[in-house]
Amino acid sequence: NAGVMQNPRHLVRRRGQEARLRCSPMKGHSHVYWYRQLPEEGLKFMVYLQKENIIDESGMPKERFSAEFPKEGPSILRIQQVVRGDSAAYFCASSPARGRYEQYFGPGTRLTVT
Amino acid sequence: GENVEQHPSTLSVQEGDSAVIKCTYSDSASNYFPWYKQELGKRPQLIIDIRSNVGEKKDQRIAVTLNKTAKHFSLHITETQPEDSAVYFCAASRGGGADGLTFGKGTHLIIQP
Repeated sequence: NAGVMQNPRHLVRRRGQEARLRCSPMKGHSHVYWYRQLPEEGLKFMVYLQKENIIDESGMPKERFSAEFPKEGPSILRIQQVVRGDSAAYFCASSPARGRYEQYFGPGTRLTVT
Repeated sequence: GENVEQHPSTLSVQEGDSAVIKCTYSDSASNYFPWYKQELGKRPQLIIDIRSNVGEKKDQRIAVTLNKTAKHFSLHITETQPEDSAVYFCAASRGGGADGLTFGKGTHLIIQP
């Protein structure tokens, strides 16, 4: 059973460009969470999605950031007009159906904005 | 919202000794408390978790205790080994898919040979 998959693993963007990060949850998992980790810091919750629904986006900046989890395909975290402060590791995690608590993390995407 | 405090930020112990990491949380509605281990450049790995209806849970050399009244929980690692060296994060949530995890800032555990 493959784990949580993320791609790309490394992404370099110039200021003002768009970044698209993809996450495929573990097989059978229908809940996806995105977290951001700045260097030497803990993980910060950004958004929680189920298929075709955003459940909680309270941790996601209102400007430039968006997320989706379509009926088919991976979850996408999109950052428009990136700035240097967006440089971080972005992790997604997946969880089984409601009532199951544990979250399993993907390998992360390391975004560098130059 | 939830706030999780974690101490110490760095912990150095001799190989074979025990290590204890402590966390406190603020939201009394939180009922799920996982611990993650993260090696440099790697993904966080779930190593143990506890729900609020349980006071203690053990898995081989790792144990977690929870005091709901005081709103604190701790990770205990016994007979530490070099491969235990990593950053450890505690977290809290209302669980069951209700919301995301709120993490502590992490403890860098160093096992001295």
